[in-house]
Amino acid sequence: AQSVSQHNHHVILSEAASLELGCNYSYGGTVNLFWYVQYPGQHLQLLLKYFSGDPLVKGIKGFEAEFIKSKFSFNLRKPSVQWSDTAEYFCAVSDSSYKLIFGSGTRLLVRP
Amino acid sequence: SAVISQKPSRDICQRGTSLTIQCQVDSQVTMMFWYRQQPGQSLTLIATANQGSEATYESGFVIDKFPISRPNLTFSTLTVSNMSPEDSSIYLCSVLRQGSYGYTFGSGTRLTVV
Repeated sequence: AQSVSQHNHHVILSEAASLELGCNYSYGGTVNLFWYVQYPGQHLQLLLKYFSGDPLVKGIKGFEAEFIKSKFSFNLRKPSVQWSDTAEYFCAVSDSSYKLIFGSGTRLLVRP
Repeated sequence: SAVISQKPSRDICQRGTSLTIQCQVDSQVTMMFWYRQQPGQSLTLIATANQGSEATYESGFVIDKFPISRPNLTFSTLTVSNMSPEDSSIYLCSVLRQGSYGYTFGSGTRLTVV
């Protein structure tokens, strides 16, 4: 079965610092990859997604992610974080079954 | 993208009772899923709701505890049966429309079992 690993459970950064959150998945076939964000007390929001093509994907709010097939990874990046980026970030993967499987999430705290 | 109406948005229930959550989509969708998000946790897939047939459950989830119905392409229900405090979670409906790789999530049902 598909599984998704997010190795960073808690990340604390100061404003303007760069961010990289790791995501690895287990399935070796064709996958679709997603990053979602959940702000405190709010619903899930899609940050970006990868289906095919350019492995560098740009999303909303200045986020981007790079799909590296050889490493089964889809890491999320942002060059300069803001206090408003404080949230929980979830990586998710779907395969030919169309089931969307989530990683355990990474809680990001950005200090002003 | 599809628009989902999920009801109720929240409820407080007594242990041993059951609650049925409804998920209504504004257009026909290929796939419908039910997730659980326990406090402070990620989303865990409960099952895939199949139109006109039994749902497909993930490991750790059984039909007796979480019966699911999907009578048509736009509607599904999830029942949380014989509830205990451990069932206190947010339950979310998610849909995927044919030809689209975008998943839409309902606003969730926040369930508290006392």
